[in-house]
Amino acid sequence: GDSVTQMEGPVTLSEEAFLTINCTYTATGYPSLFWYVQYPGEGLQLLLKATKADDKGSNKGFEATYRKETTSFHLEKGSVQVSDSAVYFCALNSGYSTLTFGKGTMLLVSP
Amino acid sequence: SQTIHQWPATLVQPVGSPLSLECTVEGTSNPNLYWYRQAAGRGLQLLFYSVGIGQISSEVPQNLSASRPQDRQFILSSKKLLLSDSGFYLCAWSADSNYGYTFGSGTRLTVV
Repeated sequence: GDSVTQMEGPVTLSEEAFLTINCTYTATGYPSLFWYVQYPGEGLQLLLKATKADDKGSNKGFEATYRKETTSFHLEKGSVQVSDSAVYFCALNSGYSTLTFGKGTMLLVSP
Repeated sequence: SQTIHQWPATLVQPVGSPLSLECTVEGTSNPNLYWYRQAAGRGLQLLFYSVGIGQISSEVPQNLSASRPQDRQFILSSKKLLLSDSGFYLCAWSADSNYGYTFGSGTRLTVV
């Protein structure tokens, strides 16, 4: 079945550091890929998505490229801010009614 | 535009009491609807989903149930809460899962 593997957290960075959160997946066919962000005490928000190989999703300075050959969708940001502290979820959909989520990676950014 | 409403935001209930959490979606018709639980920690557990009125799929057997009495209304219920039912409950909707979900703001349930 489908699965998503994310790097274990927490990831701790200083403000303005470069961020990478790794995400790899196992799925049949050509899934759509997503990154969601959850700020403390809130629901999840869609951060970005990509629906086919080599697509790059981007939003709020975050980027992720759909790599079919490595089955990966790593999240990157060039310069993180304290306000980026949150939990980040990678997810996929391979044509079913439900998404498959990773376990989430907590990001902590200090001033 | 579409919006999703989930209430209450927080709830403290004694063990053995009933539960009813409500979720409604506005601005769309025939949405797919979902209930997730997030226990202490970060992972998401899919509890129920529905692709139409009266169509409920259960992912985890437990003392919770779900109903969809109207097209854009999804209710999570329990007859008798357990301590282990504590957690953060999230409702979500989608028109097509290929484009992702939109989540509600969540309900923090504490069973005491």
